[in-house]
Amino acid sequence: DIQMTQSSSSFSVSLGDRVTITCKASEDIYNRLAWYQQKPGNAPRLLISGATSLETGVPSRFSGSGSGKDYTLSITSLQTEDVATYYCQQYWSTPPTFGGGTKLEIK
Amino acid sequence: EVQLQQSGPELVKPGASVKISCKASGYSFTGYFMNWVKQSHGKSLEWIGRINPYNGDTFYNQKFKGKATLTVDKSSSTAHMELLSLTSEDSAVYYCGRGSYYGPYAMDYWGQGTSVTVSS
Repeated sequence: DIQMTQSSSSFSVSLGDRVTITCKASEDIYNRLAWYQQKPGNAPRLLISGATSLETGVPSRFSGSGSGKDYTLSITSLQTEDVATYYCQQYWSTPPTFGGGTKLEIK
Repeated sequence: EVQLQQSGPELVKPGASVKISCKASGYSFTGYFMNWVKQSHGKSLEWIGRINPYNGDTFYNQKFKGKATLTVDKSSSTAHMELLSLTSEDSAVYYCGRGSYYGPYAMDYWGQGTSVTVSS
């Protein structure tokens, strides 16, 4: 199985900050990478697929980048509603696998 | 509007089985794979398996073979997952997630989750 590693399990940020969350796959996943946002008590929400394609309705302050094994989710100017846990997921090979999650907290 | 409505919380005894459901609406049920995902308390997400509602074809994560059985009822646009021989390790929230245009395992719509608690 492909292992997905999110290097930070949590970090504290300030409103208005630019935030970068990283995700590393154990092998090349050819941009088959999705990012999800999950708020407490809610289901995950798909933000980005194909490493860079923003889902309809997702604010443009979210963006994705990367290739090969290394991928990044960026949030420009963090808003209160962005406080959540973010997961990456590879869907290049089966079984699809998720990273451990990165929880954003407000300083 | 696409919606996936899951059945309610379950409290089950060790060794028992439980069947949870996911009713789809707002799209062609047979046109998209349905996935199931496990989230243990405070932990990350694990993919259990998927079913093709068009023909009932299934594919499971090896870890969950023998634990989960996926079925669909096309007449009611409902996907089901039965969990067998439950232990405390199976206590978790289970989600259904529709496979997206970008790939059957990138999930664009999710149910609200069904909590399963295994306790005597």
